[in-house]
Amino acid sequence: GAGVSQTPSNKVTEKGKYVELRCDPISGHTALYWYRQSLGQGPEFLIYFQGTGAADDSGLPNDRFFAVRPEGSVSTLKIQRTERGDSAVYLCASSPYLGQRRSTDTQYFGPGTRLTVL
Amino acid sequence: GIQVEQSPPDLILQEGANSTLRCNFSDSVNNLQWFHQNPWGQLINLFYIPSGTKQNGRLSATTVATERYSLLYISSSQTTDSGVYFCAPEITNAGKSTFGDGTTLTVKP
Repeated sequence: GAGVSQTPSNKVTEKGKYVELRCDPISGHTALYWYRQSLGQGPEFLIYFQGTGAADDSGLPNDRFFAVRPEGSVSTLKIQRTERGDSAVYLCASSPYLGQRRSTDTQYFGPGTRLTVL
Repeated sequence: GIQVEQSPPDLILQEGANSTLRCNFSDSVNNLQWFHQNPWGQLINLFYIPSGTKQNGRLSATTVATERYSLLYISSSQTTDSGVYFCAPEITNAGKSTFGDGTTLTVKP
């Protein structure tokens, strides 16, 4: 079956521009996560969705970052007024239902979108 | 938030050697995952291991949640094992995982 897909694979933009990054999770996975990874570091949590709602957006660095998942499947990460410091690989992961204990299950990652802000 | 420390930060092995990677964490956890990031950047889940020991081929993992650490064992290493290994514990009821900075493994032929 298909894994998690992310588009575009690479995005180069200019400082101040708006960008959208897309994630298609594994079919049937209700939990979806966004991470950001800088060179030499582990992925840094941004936000996660359970279904359509953002269950925890505490990792979003500021109000320039926003994510949606309107139908509980595809998600879009939106970054306004991009800055050079936003350059990183943006990773998406999905997993089955969290369960009543709100515990993560095995996460399956997409290949990432490499964002470069000039 | 939870602190995650992985050691060693870098490891170079000759093909066929064995190794142990360690992950220490500072808080009580619901579960813990180990991932391998290959040289092309793809993250692959190796183990979902909240406690106890699991084995998958040449790899095995042990988590001792009460003592706040997990170990990843790689036996008879191969060049394809090269990459970065991350542990990612989830603190109790957080619903999200925190990644360490990883161990970079290089296996030489």
